Amino acid sequence: AQSVTQLDSHVSVSEGTPVLLRCNYSSSYSPSLFWYVQHPNKGLQLLLKYTSAATLVKGINGFEAEFKKSETSFHLTKPSAHMSDAAEYFCVVRSNSNSGYALNFGKGTSLLVTP
Amino acid sequence: DVKVTQSSRYLVKRTGEKVFLECVQDMDHENMFWYRQDPGLGLRLIYFSYDVKMKEKGDIPEGYSVSREKKERFSLILESASTNQTSMYLCASSLSRWQGPNQPQHFGDGTRLSIL
Repeated sequence: AQSVTQLDSHVSVSEGTPVLLRCNYSSSYSPSLFWYVQHPNKGLQLLLKYTSAATLVKGINGFEAEFKKSETSFHLTKPSAHMSDAAEYFCVVRSNSNSGYALNFGKGTSLLVTP
Repeated sequence: DVKVTQSSRYLVKRTGEKVFLECVQDMDHENMFWYRQDPGLGLRLIYFSYDVKMKEKGDIPEGYSVSREKKERFSLILESASTNQTSMYLCASSLSRWQGPNQPQHFGDGTRLSIL
């Protein structure tokens, strides 16, 4: 079964400094991977997805993620944090069980951005 | 843009009540999903549907049922609500099971349900 592990439950950065949110995946074949963001009291919004076309994936709001098969990682980065980036971030892998194209979510990383 | 609308943002019900959570999407998506979200656990799939009148169990279906009588509407039913079903419930939709594994899911804003 496919699964993801988000290595940090909370990350705190200062505004203007780089962001790194770590995610490792487990999959027996080439996975479909996503990052979603959830702002307070809102639903989830897709940041980016890995489609196997390129290992470096660019998403919205300046975020990007790099797929590293040798490390089974799909870390999310942003060069310079903004206050509006404060949110919960979920690394997600497509399930290949009876759930078909349903998604398996990591437990989430809460990003705090301080002035 | 895809719009997924959940009928209630906040809901308070009593133990033993039958509870209905409604979800509507406006983009003619075939796939619809219900998740619950709990702190420290991420999102867990309750039920999903690939077509009208079709339903499949997810990872935690116990205590829940679903109904999909129309393509745009997917209802989650708590047959007899219990306090351990207090949670945030999120509905999602995606285009079609035939579009491949990389299609994203579009989420509603969630319903925060409290069972007293």
